[in-house]
Amino acid sequence: GAGVSQSPSNKVTEKGKDVELRCDPISGHTALYWYRQSLGQGLEFLIYFQGNSAPDKSGLPSDRFSAERTGGSVSTLTIQRTQQEDSAVYLCASSPGAFSEQYFGPGTRLTVT
Amino acid sequence: GQQLNQSPQSMFIQEGEDVSMNCTSSSIFNTWLWYKQEPGEGPVLLIALYKAGELTSNGRLTAQFGITRKDSFLNISASIPSDVGIYFCAGRDSGAGSYQLTFGKGTKLSVIP
Repeated sequence: GAGVSQSPSNKVTEKGKDVELRCDPISGHTALYWYRQSLGQGLEFLIYFQGNSAPDKSGLPSDRFSAERTGGSVSTLTIQRTQQEDSAVYLCASSPGAFSEQYFGPGTRLTVT
Repeated sequence: GQQLNQSPQSMFIQEGEDVSMNCTSSSIFNTWLWYKQEPGEGPVLLIALYKAGELTSNGRLTAQFGITRKDSFLNISASIPSDVGIYFCAGRDSGAGSYQLTFGKGTKLSVIP
């Protein structure tokens, strides 16, 4: 079946611009996660959605970052007024439930110039 | 917060050799997951472990959940060139009600044909 998909695969933007990254989770998965992966580093948790519950935003690094999940499916991560330190790969993962294995998308490589 | 130490950071091995890598945690986990990430891709789940002492295989890969619940290892037997990539461990203490995964920083594996 179809896995987690993310778009765009690559995004180059100028410092100060806003960007939107999209994630389509595996159909039927109720949990959705966003992570950031900087060069040579592990995965940094950003935000978590589970069903209709309020999202866990505890990993968002600043108020320039926000995310929403519409209809319990597609999610969008928005970064406002991008900075060079925002350059990283942004990974989305979904899982059948809160305590299940997470399945990752291919990521969006964001470069802020 | 929880910390995961993954070692070694990198390995250069000859094709056909066996590989071993491990992760240790500062706290107890009740789930250990092992992922592999290739360049330009998202992490792919290799093995999931849910019980202390559990030993699970997936082809040439074998992973074990340490009996102290603070460590896990991954072995790859008879390595081949396509084993190249970064291997991540991830742990979760869902017993404390946490759904969040803590990730190691990865072991970069290079296989010399």
